[in-house]
This record gives sequence, C-alpha cells and structure tokens, in this order.
Amino acid sequence: DAKTTQPPSMDCAEGRAANLPCNHSTISGNEYVYWYRQIHSQGPQYIIHGLKNNETNEMASLIITEDRKSSTLILPHATLRDTAVYYCIVRVGGGGADGLTFGKGTHLIIQP
Amino acid sequence: DAGVTQSPTHLIKTRGQQVTLRCSPISGHKSVSWYQQVLGQGPQFIFQYYEKEERGRGNFPDRFSARQFPNYSSELNVNALLLGDSALYLCASSRTGSNSGANVLTFGAGSRLTVL
Repeated sequence: DAKTTQPPSMDCAEGRAANLPCNHSTISGNEYVYWYRQIHSQGPQYIIHGLKNNETNEMASLIITEDRKSSTLILPHATLRDTAVYYCIVRVGGGGADGLTFGKGTHLIIQP
Repeated sequence: DAGVTQSPTHLIKTRGQQVTLRCSPISGHKSVSWYQQVLGQGPQFIFQYYEKEERGRGNFPDRFSARQFPNYSSELNVNALLLGDSALYLCASSRTGSNSGANVLTFGAGSRLTVL
C-alpha cells in the first residue's frame, strides 16, 4: 500500500470548517483513500473513503485531486467533539488481506 | 445493532504470562482483524481471519496467534508476554475478507493490556 504524509497537528476554531490534508503521491490506480479518526482511548472510527471522485456523507467530505496524489478531508462545522487523531490511509482494492496501514495521523484540536 | 465488542476492557499481566483477548464482530460480519496500538503510534495490523481461516498476517512474532470460531467471534492469544506487548489491542470486523472499497472495517473499543 502507498505511504501517506499528514501534518502532525492542526488547530481549528469551533464552528469553522476543518480541512485536513493528506499527501499520497505514490498511490496506485486501484488504491482507495480512507479516513478514520480516533478519539482518545477509543477504537478508530470510519469517516469516509473514495477512489477518484469527491465523496460526501453525514460526517464529512473527501476531496481527491485529479491526479490522485493528495486529498483533503473536510469537516464542515467542527465541534469540540471532533478533537481527535485523524488517519489518512490508502488501501488496495480487489482481494488480499494485508490490513490497513496506519501512520501517526493528524491530531486535530478544535478550539472553543 | 451492537457494534464490535471486545473483552476484557483492561487487564494487567506480568512478564512471561499468557493472555487471551476476545472479540465478537457485528452481526453479519464474517471477517475479523486484530491490531496492536502502542502509546503514541497508529494501530499496527496483526491478523485477519475470514471464514475461520487466516487470510493475512502482519510482522509479529509467533508468540501471537489467533483463531476464529464458527460464530465468527475470535480470540487473540499472546504467549510469553514482554513489557513491549503493553498496548491497546483492537479488533475490527467487516462483511467479507476482501479489500474492496465497500468492505469497511468497523473497530471495537479495544482491550488495554499492561505487562509488568
């Protein structure tokens, strides 16, 4: 699976949009981009994933650049409960069982 | 619906002992994966099981073993515990063993193991 690069930490004001970047310049054509988050001492929580197109669900939006070398997770109206470590993961599609490769993620701190 | 449940939530062992951790997947999910998360790091993949067979294994020593039962629940066993085995052990379930985009992993809250 391709390696991802994320900033170690970010701050965002409560009520504002939080934009979390992820670089995956070596991504292959069959690799998906996944985002998970982990609130302190809990298990990782799935947020969203995509392959080529931008995606939106009730939690967030995922914007993938046309060349697929980077992506941005957008939390549209951040709340204090969004403070967590956010992991960007690329994962090959189609068979196999190699597990998810987590990096150190981005520690997002929402400021009141 | 109940999520992924793990037990025990916390436990303390001493070096050299053995530990068994348990995981019940979401109803309808046939695949279970195990991850180890040491303090300050992201989770690291240990095993994946699907339909009671090991489908994948991460870079962990043979002291780590697992199995999956007919009801798709799973156990992770760690023998000859070392201080470095202290970590949060996470179980994740998914519908199939595939890495297809639609096969999302759902994690449990984890079992926190402290080795003294």
